[in-house]
Amino acid sequence: GAVVSQHPSWVICKSGTSVKIECRSLDFQATTMFWYRQFPKQSLMLMATSNEGSKATYEQGVEKDKFLINHASLTLSTLTVTSAHPEDSSFYICSADREGREYEQYFGPGTRLTVT
Amino acid sequence: EDQVTQSPEALRLQEGESSSLNCSYTVSGLRGLFWYRQDPGKGPEFLFTLYSAGEEKEKERLKATLTKKESFLHITAPKPEDSATYLCAVRPKGAQKLVFGQGTRLTINP
Repeated sequence: GAVVSQHPSWVICKSGTSVKIECRSLDFQATTMFWYRQFPKQSLMLMATSNEGSKATYEQGVEKDKFLINHASLTLSTLTVTSAHPEDSSFYICSADREGREYEQYFGPGTRLTVT
Repeated sequence: EDQVTQSPEALRLQEGESSSLNCSYTVSGLRGLFWYRQDPGKGPEFLFTLYSAGEEKEKERLKATLTKKESFLHITAPKPEDSATYLCAVRPKGAQKLVFGQGTRLTINP
């Protein structure tokens, strides 16, 4: 299967600071990447769809000025949580489309963000 | 509205006891149905993509099947290491994003 990495795997930051999370597709090119957040014992909640070279499409209720997404290349998308608050503490997961003979979407290992 | 419902919410089995997980869906045209496995504190691991009714795919002890309204994930003679949450998702035609179900939390007791 294809590999998607995330960095960092966990981060602790103080309230009011910004945090950047990277998502990379290691062995394939991804025109489209997705960012999710997941609360304990809940399913994935899509935050935004990131297309290489264009602005991200945010889901209803997600603040685009707070969660900045950049998809500057076919293998890298970043999510920046700006002016983080304790309620932003969550598990953030990215995924990447691999389209070819069959359509598959691969997920990264996730980033645990704790805001103190 | 596109929707995915998984059942049961949780399932406990003894090692070797075969069973099936259900994923019912309503979608305005199906581009693909996906099964993932997720372990606690990790991202989902891709298992299968199914595209049309009647299609089946297998991987080790897992077999996924698809009809026009639902998909089943059959697990044969499971082992404790098969314990995980299994997620089902659909990709509607014309859409980029996946619509996920709430998952089935599977526990295999030794």
